[in-house]
Amino acid sequence: AQSVAQPEDQVNVAEGNPLTVKCTYSVSGNPYLFWYVQYPNRGLQFLLKYITGDNLVKGSYGFEAEFNKSQTSFHLKKPSALVSDSALYFCAVRAGGGNKLTFGTGTQLKVEL
Amino acid sequence: DTGVSQDPRHKITKRGQNVTFRCDPISEHNRLYWYRQTLGQGPEFLTYFQNEAQLEKSRLLSDRFSAERPKGSFSTLEIQRTEQGDSAMYLCASSAPLETGGAGGEKLFFGSGTQLSVL
Repeated sequence: AQSVAQPEDQVNVAEGNPLTVKCTYSVSGNPYLFWYVQYPNRGLQFLLKYITGDNLVKGSYGFEAEFNKSQTSFHLKKPSALVSDSALYFCAVRAGGGNKLTFGTGTQLKVEL
Repeated sequence: DTGVSQDPRHKITKRGQNVTFRCDPISEHNRLYWYRQTLGQGPEFLTYFQNEAQLEKSRLLSDRFSAERPKGSFSTLEIQRTEQGDSAMYLCASSAPLETGGAGGEKLFFGSGTQLSVL
């Protein structure tokens, strides 16, 4: 069975500071890893993914994530947070070749002035 | 690209009634997924279609739930004899296979969901 853990329900950061949203996963075989963001009253939106290759992947809105196989982690990062980044962030994993995408419980990011 | 659309946006029903939701995926997407999301939880996989074929169904899905995708276009999700525990946001997503790379690497495009409240 595949699973995702997002240990923090909420992350607070000041605008302009770097942010990290943590994610660890468990899956059989090679993992396909994703980050999605959910704004109020809007659908989930894709941010970035790791399939293979460079462990550091870059995505939308200046976000990036680092795949760490030994720690089974895929933390989301941004060098300088914006108030508009405030949203609910979901990490997700899929076994390579599989159909089912399994999501974590989400982390609420709050960026304050 | 008009996005994934879901109808209705909200549905309030009484326990024991049947409800049906509709999802219209992005037109060129052959893959369609249904997820369920409750407050404080991430989306939970319900079922997956490739074209008109239902290829995977969650073991957690009760027999009261059924989904169809006739002609491989829009999809419907029906819940029979609704229970209060069925109250949730029902999300639909679609995707197209990657031109290169292994299966499963494509991103999903989600609709805004149908919020079901069972009284």
